[in-house]
Amino acid sequence: QKEVEQDPGPLSVPEGAIVSLNCTYSNSAFQYFMWYRQYSRKGPELLMYTYSSGNKEDGRFTAQVDKSSKYISLFIRDSQPSDSATYLCAMKGASGGSYIPTFGRGTSLIVHP
Amino acid sequence: GAVVSQHPSWVICKSGTSVKIECRSLDFQATTMFWYRQFPKQSLMLMATSNEGSKATYEQGVEKDKFLINHASLTLSTLTVTSAHPEDSSFYICSARVGGASTEAFFGQGTRLTVV
Repeated sequence: QKEVEQDPGPLSVPEGAIVSLNCTYSNSAFQYFMWYRQYSRKGPELLMYTYSSGNKEDGRFTAQVDKSSKYISLFIRDSQPSDSATYLCAMKGASGGSYIPTFGRGTSLIVHP
Repeated sequence: GAVVSQHPSWVICKSGTSVKIECRSLDFQATTMFWYRQFPKQSLMLMATSNEGSKATYEQGVEKDKFLINHASLTLSTLTVTSAHPEDSSFYICSARVGGASTEAFFGQGTRLTVV
């Protein structure tokens, strides 16, 4: 079992839909959770950075962390065609070698007009 | 967010030559930088962790003599692919951490290397 599992998709939704992207993980040492957006042939762009369990909202994006279930989500409201990209989850611990982020393989999102 | 600049964005080189990729943190000092390799439709594969002023820590299976990493200043890390071969063709991306272990890391734009 990989440390971080993420469905590669593709996930295809109509414009305006609410998108839910998810990752599960197995390492209970993870404390920090991140979501990156990556457009084709570009470097990942940090969208959300959260610590421990709970919700964090930034514009149309909401990150949710449930450490008890080892499950994290990214919600995108009112999705736009410009949101079409690959979304990578990442997580890391707070000490020793666990501070190096572990990435999911990314979910490809397609928002069609 | 913090800005990380990676140069060049793409490069084509002949087999057997060496290529240097630069990663700069433009508006912050980065004690730690990471170098990744990414294959099409795959996730990021960590190659090495680079700490300013010390030797890089390479991941298992990454040849340190082939992928030379230098982090001589708090704003610049370089990756040199030595004696490049077609199988080294890939997308290389750096990221820089803004502070200590608990802080976020920002990525450069990536470099697409093609070895012919």
